[in-house]
Amino acid sequence: SQTIHQWPATLVQPVGSPLSLECTVEGTSNPNLYWYRQAAGRGLQLLFYSVGIGQISSEVPQNLSASRPQDRQFILSSKKLLLSDSGFYLCAWSPERYEQYFGPGTRLTVT
Amino acid sequence: AQSVTQLDSQVPVFEEAPVELRCNYSSSVSVYLFWYVQYPNQGLQLLLKYLSGSTLVKGINGFEAEFNKSQTSFHLRKPSVHISDTAEYFCAVSARGGGSYIPTFGRGTSLIVHP
Repeated sequence: SQTIHQWPATLVQPVGSPLSLECTVEGTSNPNLYWYRQAAGRGLQLLFYSVGIGQISSEVPQNLSASRPQDRQFILSSKKLLLSDSGFYLCAWSPERYEQYFGPGTRLTVT
Repeated sequence: AQSVTQLDSQVPVFEEAPVELRCNYSSSVSVYLFWYVQYPNQGLQLLLKYLSGSTLVKGINGFEAEFNKSQTSFHLRKPSVHISDTAEYFCAVSARGGGSYIPTFGRGTSLIVHP
């Protein structure tokens, strides 16, 4: 069966510090991968998606970036965090354009 | 392009009462339809999906949804809710075919079950 991991689970970072969130998927190959952010009490905002290694599409211009160095690894990064980057970050994978399977999420607080 | 409207941001209900969470969509192409549930501080979990076939779809935790093509709706129902059903529920659509791999989510409905 397939599983999706995200780490860390929680993170508190000062403004201006770098960020690296990691997501890995097990039990499938060539998944579509997605990064979402949820602000408090809000819906899902798609940040990036990837249909293959090295193929990244950005949905919202901001100070975040994503990379997919391996087939089942998706990394979200920032060189300098802003207060507005606080939120709940969710990674998801999908077989083609069907349902998505979400990770447990990372709660990021920028102070 | 497609859009999803969840008509109620919050639905309060008493335990053991029936509930319906409404979802309407618009799309220029045929779609797949999904409902997800999110418990506090957790990721989303797939409740049910409509890909093809019977328009009445049964999912986990006693939930079901009916696809109504003429009304472009995919409402979620449960005949008797429990306290543990208190959560955020998201409706989503994904285009059949075409080049987009991006599903569209509604803004969510908060189901609050009171004892």
